[in-house]
Amino acid sequence: EAGVAQSPRYKIIEKRQSVAFWCNPISGHATLYWYQQILGQGPKLLIQFQNNGVVDDSQLPKDRFSAERLKGVDSTLKIQPAKLEDSAVYLCASGGQGAAEAFFGQGTRLTVV
Amino acid sequence: AQSVSQHNHHVILSEAASLELGCNYSYGGTVNLFWYVQYPGQHLQLLLKYFSGDPLVKGIKGFEAEFIKSKFSFNLRKPSVQWSDTAEYFCAVTGSNDYKLSFGAGTTVTVRA
Repeated sequence: EAGVAQSPRYKIIEKRQSVAFWCNPISGHATLYWYQQILGQGPKLLIQFQNNGVVDDSQLPKDRFSAERLKGVDSTLKIQPAKLEDSAVYLCASGGQGAAEAFFGQGTRLTVV
Repeated sequence: AQSVSQHNHHVILSEAASLELGCNYSYGGTVNLFWYVQYPGQHLQLLLKYFSGDPLVKGIKGFEAEFIKSKFSFNLRKPSVQWSDTAEYFCAVTGSNDYKLSFGAGTTVTVRA
């Protein structure tokens, strides 16, 4: 079974630039999560989708972050404009319908300079 | 809002020593509990989970965890660690109905050969 795929693996951008991350969840998984993991901290949930609907985006900084999950499969997370404090690893995870267990991708390490 | 507290930031052990990592959670309802592990350079992987039933759960690689409802705790244990257990360990919780997965800050475990 293929795992959660994320790209790119690494990204370096200057502050005020924009960046986008892509996630392909495990086939058939209805739930998709985006997490931000700052160095030395645990993952923080940014947004949770159930199919293509948003379940929770209470911790998403909506003035600069946006996410979509078209057709209930792939998802993109965008930051525009980026700030230095956005430097982190962005993790995508997916879970099956009604299942609490989440499967994680390798993450995208973003460095904002 | 749910939250997870991990007691130790960094634990250093010798091989064959016993390991116990503390985890306490705050949530006003029925929970599902998890321990995830992140080996160097790898993605987050599920170590074990508790949904219901026997409060002592066994996971992969000889790990186990005990759910103590009265203490809101879900501590991870391994009787004899190996060098390959060097990793970062995260405790996580969801509500049994919302699947919003919240993580603790993580504990870095270093096992010396």
